This record gives sequence, structure tokens and C-alpha cells, in this order.
Amino acid sequence: AQSVTQPDIHITVSEGASLELRCNYSYGATPYLFWYVQSPGQGLQLLLKYFSGDTLVQGIKGFEAEFKRSQSSFNLRKPSVHWSDAAEYFCAVGGYGGSQGNLIFGKGTKLSVKP
Amino acid sequence: EAGVAQSPRYKIIEKRQSVAFWCNPISGHATLYWYQQILGQGPKLLIQFQNNGVVDDSQLPKDRFSAERLKGVDSTLKIQPAKLEDSAVYLCASSSRQPSSNSPLHFGNGTRLTVT
Repeated sequence: AQSVTQPDIHITVSEGASLELRCNYSYGATPYLFWYVQSPGQGLQLLLKYFSGDTLVQGIKGFEAEFKRSQSSFNLRKPSVHWSDAAEYFCAVGGYGGSQGNLIFGKGTKLSVKP
Repeated sequence: EAGVAQSPRYKIIEKRQSVAFWCNPISGHATLYWYQQILGQGPKLLIQFQNNGVVDDSQLPKDRFSAERLKGVDSTLKIQPAKLEDSAVYLCASSSRQPSSNSPLHFGNGTRLTVT
């Protein structure tokens, strides 16, 4: 069965420090992978996506993610975190013909940023 | 460009009552989705429309949930009767044309439902 695991429920980092959020997936075929961010009381915003090609993808707000097929992972990274990055981050997998709608989401990782 | 509009923002009802949520997608977006997000979990797809037709409703609890998208624009999601476990945020999303790699999802801010 298809699934997404985000091992860290809550992470706290200092402003200016680097960030890595982990995501592991289980999917029978070539996955389409996504990272979304959700601020309190808001909907989800797409940060980046991987469909094929270069395994290192760049997204908005200075985020990047690396697809590692051998590890079934798609970790999100940012070199220097800003206070405005505090939010909840969701990894998702999909693939019905490249559909970006029929997604399976992880449970999310809440990011707190210390001043 | 106006975003995906949802109303109401909050709703509190008692169990066994009925409730309806409304969604207006981005103008011209043919594909509309309803997701349920229970506290502490990621969103789960309930139903997908392409224009006014249902593409996928395999995870919709059809004994109590219903959804429609008349005229292929606005959509309504209804719960009747509500149960305690229906307490969640209901997110509407839309995308243009067929779901594809070049057609990202745009989410509304959601309706937070509390069933007491």
C-alpha cells in the first residue's frame, strides 16, 4: 500500500541554522513527490515537486529537496531558516498519471524557530 | 488572481445534525478536490471532480457524506448526520484542466468543523 512517513512530529531550530525534514515513502511505481507548507489557519502551499530528472529539486522560499530512490526518501532542506518558516510541513506522494490531486500525505512535521 | 474561497470558516454542530460547506474554485479551474484534515494528520482526499463529473470518490463515506458540483463551478460538501469523528478541517482545492505536472493544486483556507 502507498504510504508516506514523516518520522519527526515536531522540530525546533534556531533562526539562521540549517534545516532538514525527513520523508520516507512506500509506492509501487515511480513516485511523484511533493512538499507542502501550511501556516496556522491557512491552506496548503506547494513548496516543490519531483516528477523525474534531476534528483535535487529547487522550490520556493529557498527550499530544496533530494530524491533518493535507494532510500525511498525525499528530504526537505534549507540552509538558513528564517522565523517566518515556522509552520507545518507535509510530504506527499501521488502518481495517477502525474496527478497532483490524488495525493497521499504524511502526518506532517511542525517546525518551530527560536530567535 | 482570486484564490479558492471556502465558507464558512468555522462551524460547530451537535452530533447527528447536518452541515454543508461551500467552495468556489479559482476561475477557469476544471478540477476540484475536497480533502479532510483531522487534527494531527495530513489531508485525506475525499472526492475529486472534473468539471461537474466525479472522478474519484473512493474514500468518501457515502452513507453520510455527499458532494456535488453543479454547473462545474462551485461545489458543496454535506455531512448528514454528523459524528464526533467528523471533527476536522475540510479543505477545498482546485487545479486547471486535467491534473498534470503543470497544473498545481491551489488550496483554500478550509472550514474547521467541530462536532460536539
